[in-house]
Amino acid sequence: NAGVTQTPKFQVLKTGQSMTLQCAQDMNHEYMSWYRQDPGMGLRLIHYSVGAGITDQGEVPNGYNVSRSTTEDFPLRLLSAAPSQTSVYFCASSSYTTGGGELFFGEGSRLTVL
Amino acid sequence: AQSVSQHNHHVILSEAASLELGCNYSYGGTVNLFWYVQYPGQHLQLLLKYFSGDPLVKGIKGFEAEFIKSKFSFNLRKPSVQWSDTAEYFCAVNADNDMRFGAGTRLTVKP
Repeated sequence: NAGVTQTPKFQVLKTGQSMTLQCAQDMNHEYMSWYRQDPGMGLRLIHYSVGAGITDQGEVPNGYNVSRSTTEDFPLRLLSAAPSQTSVYFCASSSYTTGGGELFFGEGSRLTVL
Repeated sequence: AQSVSQHNHHVILSEAASLELGCNYSYGGTVNLFWYVQYPGQHLQLLLKYFSGDPLVKGIKGFEAEFIKSKFSFNLRKPSVQWSDTAEYFCAVNADNDMRFGAGTRLTVKP
């Protein structure tokens, strides 16, 4: 019973490098989202998707890109990493029809940008 | 967009003490309310949720929360905390599929 799977768990980047955080869910959830977690700021929504082919911006989208080509996958791309993007990133999914918005989270990806 | 406020940043209690963590939100429409817990080094897990009906909801591990619509509040309570409750607690509000989280309250329970 995998749920939401994120990779990698840890990553160190240099300023200016690009990378992709992978997220996959096997619950057939329509809704998927990416959050970043920073001390004292809770979780802030970066991007979300309500279904394949549909994405939208959250609170803090700058510097990040997403796509949703399948129901299962929702990768997050950092186009040109900056130290301000050092954070823990969580992918989450939910079902509109049955979940009422309850989110299921991945294990998190800790990113350090030097 | 709605916002979520958690009043306490860090709460320190002794075992067997009672707990109440405050959560207020700003949104005038229909909302679904959640409390999540994050144990050290782990991802967020659902403690309890409120969609409709009885405003007093019970969750896992003896936690409960009360929705007071007139006060836009959804406070979390536990009559007697344990050392294993040491964690960070997040209130979350979902309105029109827009889920927002509070800043979190760190709970430390001393044995």
